[in-house]
Amino acid sequence: AQKITQTQPGMFVQEKEAVTLDCTYDTSDQSYGLFWYKQPSSGEMIFLIYQGSYDEQNATEGRYSLNFQKARKSANLVISASQLGDSAMYFCAMREVDRGSTLGRLYFGRGTQLTVWP
Amino acid sequence: DTGVSQDPRHKITKRGQNVTFRCDPISEHNRLYWYRQTLGQGPEFLTYFQNEAQLEKSRLLSDRFSAERPKGSFSTLEIQRTEQGDSAMYLCASSLTLGDRGQETQYFGPGTRLLVL
Repeated sequence: AQKITQTQPGMFVQEKEAVTLDCTYDTSDQSYGLFWYKQPSSGEMIFLIYQGSYDEQNATEGRYSLNFQKARKSANLVISASQLGDSAMYFCAMREVDRGSTLGRLYFGRGTQLTVWP
Repeated sequence: DTGVSQDPRHKITKRGQNVTFRCDPISEHNRLYWYRQTLGQGPEFLTYFQNEAQLEKSRLLSDRFSAERPKGSFSTLEIQRTEQGDSAMYLCASSLTLGDRGQETQYFGPGTRLLVL
């Protein structure tokens, strides 16, 4: 079974509008971390935002916020006031923690290609 | 520039040849990760090191793949007898872990694009 599911292969948004990118995850761990990364066409993965499973408040970083719904196992990324430079591939990822701090790998979804148009 | 660096950025090789990639992590980071990303997919974990110790390897890492981090600083990933299916982007990431359950963010390098002809 997929650990991370991103159901939107592509999304389009007009500049200055908000957009939500969906992410659902699957884990039996109680302690885990959720991450969003941005990958421009150049290829580098850029860290955007983190949400811990025990965090009671949704994470925010500038124009990025994470809509965390633990019971539904969803961690959607909300980008407010979209800019042309936001056009990129966006990946949701998860790190499971319960099985020991030596477990370090991230599980990634297949990504969502966001296009911002003027 | 104090980010993660990778070399080379691009590599074209013929099937059957060996290739080696290098990754230099952020200097104070004790963990170093290797991922592989094929077209249209998210990165897939290959292996990671904490200091010099290789702590986890994916079953994706066949016998033809070997990774080292001899002094706990830079790392190399070698692919022997390359196959066309090895064509992918190879991403390196580093992080600082304090052994707790808190946030451990992995910072990625620009990747090495491998094309096997």
